[in-house]
Amino acid sequence: GAVVSQHPSRVICKSGTSVKIECRSLDFQATTMFWYRQFPKQSLMLMATSNEGSKATYEQGVEKDKFLINHASLTLSTLTVTSAHPEDSSFYICSARDLGTSPDTQYFGPGTRLTVL
Amino acid sequence: GENVEQHPSTLSVQEGDSAVIKCTYSDSASNYFPWYKQELGKRPQLIIDIRSNVGEKKDQRIAVTLNKTAKHFSLHITETQPEDSAVYFCAASIGPGGGNKLTFGTGTQLKVEL
Repeated sequence: GAVVSQHPSRVICKSGTSVKIECRSLDFQATTMFWYRQFPKQSLMLMATSNEGSKATYEQGVEKDKFLINHASLTLSTLTVTSAHPEDSSFYICSARDLGTSPDTQYFGPGTRLTVL
Repeated sequence: GENVEQHPSTLSVQEGDSAVIKCTYSDSASNYFPWYKQELGKRPQLIIDIRSNVGEKKDQRIAVTLNKTAKHFSLHITETQPEDSAVYFCAASIGPGGGNKLTFGTGTQLKVEL
């Protein structure tokens, strides 16, 4: 199946700093990727849809200036958490669709555990 | 927007028994319903999916049923094994016109006891 990677897998940062998370589709091209946030023992909440070559579409309540998304190529989307604060600590997961094999199916990356001190 | 409800939140079964997880959705335009298995600290893994033009789909010990009229779908796991223990999420999406955005249920913690 399609493989999606994420980097880093874990990051600890000080409050006020910015953190960049990368999401890559390894064996397919992805015009659309999705970014989710998951709190402990809770479900996945969609934050935004990342569109290659255009602006991301953010879900209601998600601050686009806080969570910057860039999708500069067909295999890479980045999420930058700007001026991170402890309440931003969470598990961030990306997903991508392989339109060539199964247009509906989303394949998830391994996630990034962000801890803001 | 779409709302997906999932029950039960926790489910404990004996090894070899069957497990059933149920979900309901609100938007009749939803046409794709995947189920994901997530182990602690890991990525969600797709285990089975169904599209709205199909009522039932089976893959070895796993099956999914869909009732479009009632707007609910269920996951059935037979002959459960300890390695089936995990959190299971249902989801619904409208695509491509709906952007293929997945709305997830709240999850079911399945525990298979020896």
